[in-house]
Amino acid sequence: GAVVSQHPSRVICKSGTSVKIECRSLDFQATTMFWYRQFPKKSLMLMATSNEGSKATYEQGVEKDKFLINHASLTLSTLTVTSAHPEDSSFYICSARGRGEVSPLHFGNGTRLTVT
Amino acid sequence: AQSVTQLDSQVPVFEEAPVELRCNYSSSVSVYLFWYVQYPNQGLQLLLKYLSGSTLVKGINGFEAEFNKSQTSFHLRKPSVHISDTAEYFCAVSKGGATNKLIFGTGTLLAVQP
Repeated sequence: GAVVSQHPSRVICKSGTSVKIECRSLDFQATTMFWYRQFPKKSLMLMATSNEGSKATYEQGVEKDKFLINHASLTLSTLTVTSAHPEDSSFYICSARGRGEVSPLHFGNGTRLTVT
Repeated sequence: AQSVTQLDSQVPVFEEAPVELRCNYSSSVSVYLFWYVQYPNQGLQLLLKYLSGSTLVKGINGFEAEFNKSQTSFHLRKPSVHISDTAEYFCAVSKGGATNKLIFGTGTLLAVQP
């Protein structure tokens, strides 16, 4: 079946540094990728939607300058958390959807970000 | 706008007992409905989906769900659970279309006890 690879699975960084998270679709072309943030014991909060070759669409309340999203190819999207702070510590999950009206979402295994 | 309500944050159940996880949605348009499962520190795995057609949908791992338009519900059921079914379960709704986003419920922790 369709596989989405997310890397790294865990990252610890110091406050003020930037962290890049990669999301790759391994066996299909992902025309649309979504980035979610999940707080402990909470649901997934959609951060942004990215379409290949165009700017990402951010949800209300999500800082686009802080969470940079790039979707340069049909198989790769990246999320960069810039100038990370402890409150950015969270579980980030990407998902990808192929072409077609009813294509389901395929999820990566998530990235646990800890900012110290 | 669409929204999803999962009424139970946690459902404890004994092994081999049946279980139902409740999900209600609200939408002014036709929607697609999904159930996902999340194991600790992992992403989400699709259990089943309703797009159209038969209202009873069968998924993986012995789960099934029934779409009830009049009650705007999409409850998930399994006749006999295993310890390995312990996980967080999310109901989700989408308007459909490649770029339309998925809106998730708050999740239900299914805790299967021996």
